[in-house]
Amino acid sequence: DGGITQSPKYLFRKEGQNVTLSCEQNLNHDAMYWYRQDPGQGLRLIYYSQIVNDFQKGDIAEGYSVSREKKESFPLTVTSAQKNPTAFYLCASSISGFADTQYFGPGTRLTVL
Amino acid sequence: GQQVMQIPQYQHVQEGEDFTTYCNSSTTLSNIQWYKQRPGGHPVFLIQLVKSGEVKKQKRLTFQFGEAKKNSSLHITATQTTDVGTYFCAGPSSGYSTLTFGKGTMLLVSP
Repeated sequence: DGGITQSPKYLFRKEGQNVTLSCEQNLNHDAMYWYRQDPGQGLRLIYYSQIVNDFQKGDIAEGYSVSREKKESFPLTVTSAQKNPTAFYLCASSISGFADTQYFGPGTRLTVL
Repeated sequence: GQQVMQIPQYQHVQEGEDFTTYCNSSTTLSNIQWYKQRPGGHPVFLIQLVKSGEVKKQKRLTFQFGEAKKNSSLHITATQTTDVGTYFCAGPSSGYSTLTFGKGTMLLVSP
């Protein structure tokens, strides 16, 4: 069954701790993306990767880091430098990195206490 | 940079009424995509429009791409409670490496 998985669905962390969100896809897509969603703010791009071992900053990359060591995986680390990390995080993938249709995972809702 | 704007931000209708959301880009787009996000869910791709003046229909949903390829609309005829959600439009970003999403229109349908 092909798709994108994100885990966990809900995540709670204490302020000052780094946390890594998982994103895995078995669609054989080249490109992967991370978005942050806050109420009324739409989808804001954090990082994207068009190919393994390469990634680019999006509009709101400060306080976040990513890696792309495997085609299937694109984990996002929310560092303690991110001032307001509580949000809904969505991972997506597309066949290529040229503004193709994006397929989204179910999301992880992160709450920092 | 490129901006994609959607109006209205929010609309509440009675079941059976029509609904329209509008999307406007600051630049000409090669294509425009529409996504729907149900409450608590994730965005799901609905359709892509490519040609100037293109009109596509999916049952009660009608999508249009403007002649100048800078605006688009989604019209829902006779809304149902299953139409509840946020509708996003998205166009290729400058450089064509990603999509720029509008902030979405949240639709609430009362029975």
